Amino acid sequence: EPEVTQTPSHQVTQMGQEVILRCVPISNHLYFYWYRQILGQKVEFLVSFYNNEISEKSEIFDDQFSVERPDGSNFTLKIRSTKLEDSAMYFCASRGLVTNEQFFGPGTRLTVL
Amino acid sequence: EDQVTQSPEALRLQEGESSSLNCSYTVSGLRGLFWYRQDPGKGPEFLFTLYSAGEEKEKERLKATLTKKESFLHITAPKPEDSATYLCAVQLYNNNDMRFGAGTRLTVKP
Repeated sequence: EPEVTQTPSHQVTQMGQEVILRCVPISNHLYFYWYRQILGQKVEFLVSFYNNEISEKSEIFDDQFSVERPDGSNFTLKIRSTKLEDSAMYFCASRGLVTNEQFFGPGTRLTVL
Repeated sequence: EDQVTQSPEALRLQEGESSSLNCSYTVSGLRGLFWYRQDPGKGPEFLFTLYSAGEEKEKERLKATLTKKESFLHITAPKPEDSATYLCAVQLYNNNDMRFGAGTRLTVKP
């Protein structure tokens, strides 16, 4: 069964460093998303991406964040200068054209020291 | 303000003891309501989508229902492997994202 994959599973970085989180969405999906979940809190929407551009973003997704689909399979989230409060699980999700169901990857645990 | 509230926060059941989880929402223009299961340290796993009041969906021991103000996830004769956090999320007509509730942490004891 097709699934969303994410790498790395765990990333540890120093405050102020740049990180890139990688996702491979389900191959025939056209909508891509990033969410985050701070430990013990709700899953929060960050950004949606369709047709090679951002379609929506939340207040969390400020100038420190960017997304890219560098090739036909990967979808990345970059945080330019990480802060302690960026520590969280980051989930990538994708969906197809016909249905609204979003399928999530296993997540990347980002720890900022 | 659009809100999604899940109750209870935590629920402990004995194996075989049926119960329901609640998701109430106050949103402007509901496109769909989604139920996910999340195991510790894992991503949400899709369970159901409901689009209109009166709709019901079933999968094994789970049944999801929807009214104009809330959704219920009914668990019939649960087993320990049903232990997880169950998340409710809403999608609105005017945007593409999903807004999640805080979840109900279900523990089923053998």
